[in-house]
Amino acid sequence: DIQMTQSPSTLSASVGDRVTITCRASQSIVNRLAWYQQKPGKPPKFLIYEASSLESGVPSRFSGSGSGTEFTLTISSLQPDDFATYYCQQYHSYSYTFGQGTKLEIK
Amino acid sequence: QVQLQESGPGLVKPSETLSLTCTVSGGSISAYFWTWIRQPPGKGLQWTGYIYSSGTTNYNPSLESRVTISLDTSKRQFSLRLTSVTAADTAVYYCARRSSYGGFFDYWGQGILVTVSS
Repeated sequence: DIQMTQSPSTLSASVGDRVTITCRASQSIVNRLAWYQQKPGKPPKFLIYEASSLESGVPSRFSGSGSGTEFTLTISSLQPDDFATYYCQQYHSYSYTFGQGTKLEIK
Repeated sequence: QVQLQESGPGLVKPSETLSLTCTVSGGSISAYFWTWIRQPPGKGLQWTGYIYSSGTTNYNPSLESRVTISLDTSKRQFSLRLTSVTAADTAVYYCARRSSYGGFFDYWGQGILVTVSS
């Protein structure tokens, strides 16, 4: 299996901050990476595919970048609704795997 | 708008079989991969497996010996069977649609908590 490692595990930030979450793959996944947002008691919400393509309806303050083994999710100006847990997921291998998650908390 | 809804027992005894069904409303069943993903309480997401509309399946290697996913297109339902369950199988089970554009999941059900306990 391809291992996905996110950092940090927890991130404390304030409304209006710019934040970046990193996701590293154990081998090259080209750009076959997705990002999800999950709030407590809810299913994940699909945000980004192909590392940098924004799903329709996702605010433009979210952006993704990277290729190969290193990827980032950036939120340009945090809004109250953005405090949640974020997961990356690779789909280069048909045994799909997720990162362990990054919890974005209010400072 | 595509909607998915999980159903099934919330409590299963150890060594027994976990069975869940996902009902799909809106959109087409054809040309998509119908997927199960689980999340143990307080933990991350684990892809369990998928079935394509043609009936082709693909399972997580760590679960492959115990898992079966089936599809009933006439009922617009797909199902998960997981045999010989233990406490480690306690999780929220989500059904989801894998996009036709790639291996990411664009629609999710609300999830159902299944507890394995005697």
